[in-house]
Amino acid sequence: GQNIDQPTEMTATEGAIVQINCTYQTSGFNGLFWYQQHAGEAPTFLSYNVLDGLEEKGRFSSFLSRSKGYSYLLLKELQMKDSASYLCAPMDSNYQLIWGAGTKLIIKP
Amino acid sequence: GAVVSQHPSWVICKSGTSVKIECRSLDFQATTMFWYRQFPKQSLMLMATSNEGSKATYEQGVEKDKFLINHASLTLSTLTVTSAHPEDSSFYICSARDRMGGDTGELFFGEGSRLTVL
Repeated sequence: GQNIDQPTEMTATEGAIVQINCTYQTSGFNGLFWYQQHAGEAPTFLSYNVLDGLEEKGRFSSFLSRSKGYSYLLLKELQMKDSASYLCAPMDSNYQLIWGAGTKLIIKP
Repeated sequence: GAVVSQHPSWVICKSGTSVKIECRSLDFQATTMFWYRQFPKQSLMLMATSNEGSKATYEQGVEKDKFLINHASLTLSTLTVTSAHPEDSSFYICSARDRMGGDTGELFFGEGSRLTVL
């Protein structure tokens, strides 16, 4: 079956760095997306990885290892507004995104 | 970036009535739109894939006669919850992919519609 594993919740301090890990199992693979979702709002796109390695975009970076079925999202210089859920969503062979429950990130001053 | 508009944002209705939610891609054409439902603290659950000019593809367990989807144009898809009941209360979200971006293009989400059925 298809499965995504992310920590349920993480806590970090403002200004610090946090890494959110994601392991996945899918039927086929066409890349992996990371989305940010604030409470009560729809998800917004953060990144897309289809090849192995690190993609950097400002304060956010995303890493993918296809052979390990593993990705992480790295957030630097954390700000209070980064408090949100972070959704790891791999895309299967049918180009369907597989959604997990996400990781709720709590930022403390 | 591309914009997807969803309307209404909030809707409260009586049990037994029908509610229509619209999803529009404002600055791109979307041959495919997706409808999700999300309960509190749970993951997005894909309900159906809406294809322009053809019937929607429903996920297992989703009643197609209860959740009517119409994708009349390249920029508009509607979800109608028919004979809504309290258990249908949820956050409904649509998303669309720019057809120029191909199958792996970024998904753009609407703002979501929070349905409360009394």
